[in-house]
Amino acid sequence: GAGVSQSPRYKVAKRGQDVALRCDPISGHVSLFWYQQALGQGPEFLTYFQNEAQLDKSGLPSDRFFAERPEGSVSTLKIQRTQQEDSAVYLCASSPRGGSSYNEQFFGPGTRLTVL
Amino acid sequence: KQEVTQIPAALSVPEGENLVLNCSFTDSAIYNLQWFRQDPGKGLTSLLLIQSSQREQTSGRLNASLDKSSGRSTLYIAASQPGDSATYLCAVKGGAQKLVFGQGTRLTINP
Repeated sequence: GAGVSQSPRYKVAKRGQDVALRCDPISGHVSLFWYQQALGQGPEFLTYFQNEAQLDKSGLPSDRFFAERPEGSVSTLKIQRTQQEDSAVYLCASSPRGGSSYNEQFFGPGTRLTVL
Repeated sequence: KQEVTQIPAALSVPEGENLVLNCSFTDSAIYNLQWFRQDPGKGLTSLLLIQSSQREQTSGRLNASLDKSSGRSTLYIAASQPGDSATYLCAVKGGAQKLVFGQGTRLTINP
């Protein structure tokens, strides 16, 4: 079956522009996660959804970052007034069930954002 | 706060050698630990998932062990091949749903 997909795969933005990154999780997966991976670093957690509810947004670095999952499937990560330090790969992951810490997370290919 | 460390940061070995990658974590209260592979410009491919009640998992030439009490995991790769060249990441899941990652080990297998 289809895995996690993300679009666009690459995005170049001028400093100050707004961007929107899309994640399509595996069909039927309850949990959805966003991570940010800077060059040469491991991914860092941004936010977590269980269905349409955003249960943890403790990793969002500033109020310029906003994520939503209005119908409990597709999710969008929006970054307003982009800055150079936002340049990174944004990874989306999904997991089959909610409320269980034993679930495996399945990752998409990521969106590479470059802010000029 | 959970911290995950991977040693070494980079490793280069000749083809055919057996090798071990190390991962340590500071908080032993974890639910599971995952090893991932990441090729340049690609996403993460899950290699092995070890639940907190397990000691090891095996898949083909890969074997991962977990010693929760000491906060350590190892990934053993047998008979390495050039196609194994990639960055290997370990990640732990604690009480929150999120994964906490190490910085990765960049592995190069020389033909």
